[in-house]
Amino acid sequence: DVKVTQSSRYLVKRTGEKVFLECVQDMDHENMFWYRQDPGLGLRLIYFSYDVKMKEKGDIPEGYSVSREKKERFSLILESASTNQTSMYLCASSALSLGYTFGSGTRLTVV
Amino acid sequence: DQQVKQNSPSLSVQEGRISILNCDYTNSMFDYFLWYKKYPAEGPTFLISISSIKDKNEDGRFTVFLNKSAKHLSLHIVPSQPGDSAVYFCAASLASGGSYIPTFGRGTSLIVHP
Repeated sequence: DVKVTQSSRYLVKRTGEKVFLECVQDMDHENMFWYRQDPGLGLRLIYFSYDVKMKEKGDIPEGYSVSREKKERFSLILESASTNQTSMYLCASSALSLGYTFGSGTRLTVV
Repeated sequence: DQQVKQNSPSLSVQEGRISILNCDYTNSMFDYFLWYKKYPAEGPTFLISISSIKDKNEDGRFTVFLNKSAKHLSLHIVPSQPGDSAVYFCAASLASGGSYIPTFGRGTSLIVHP
């Protein structure tokens, strides 16, 4: 069964901390994505990547960066966590054909 | 401005009845549409899709209808079951463009009462 794995289901971090969210997929997909989901706002795209070492800004990249050193791994970095970054973070991957596979999500709380 | 709109934040339906979830889009170039289902504390899972060359696609209890002239699609669940209670996201994309990035609606929370 194909999988997108996010390293943590729940995280609690302090304001100002640097936070790493890791995502690994085993489907050899070219495309990987990071979204955040907030009540009433749906899924908002933070960053995405079409290939190794490649990244593109999504709709809400401010306060975030990403890293894709290997095809299967896409990391989301919160440079200095703030309380307004408390959210559910979702990683997804897709091949050139259509359709996403999502990970189970990471619920991040910044205190 | 939202390109994909799900105007009903929530919907409540009795078990066994039909659930109809609606979605409107503004970009006439969108040519591929998807529905995802999301349970709390889990990632969304793909449910059903439809290409713009069709007006209907069916998969078991789930049917998606597309009205291109109205820029409207709907998801019908018949019969509804309590396990269908979840948030449903509509998404639209430019499949023919090659760089597939779907635009998501804000979701509709469906509650199916026993």
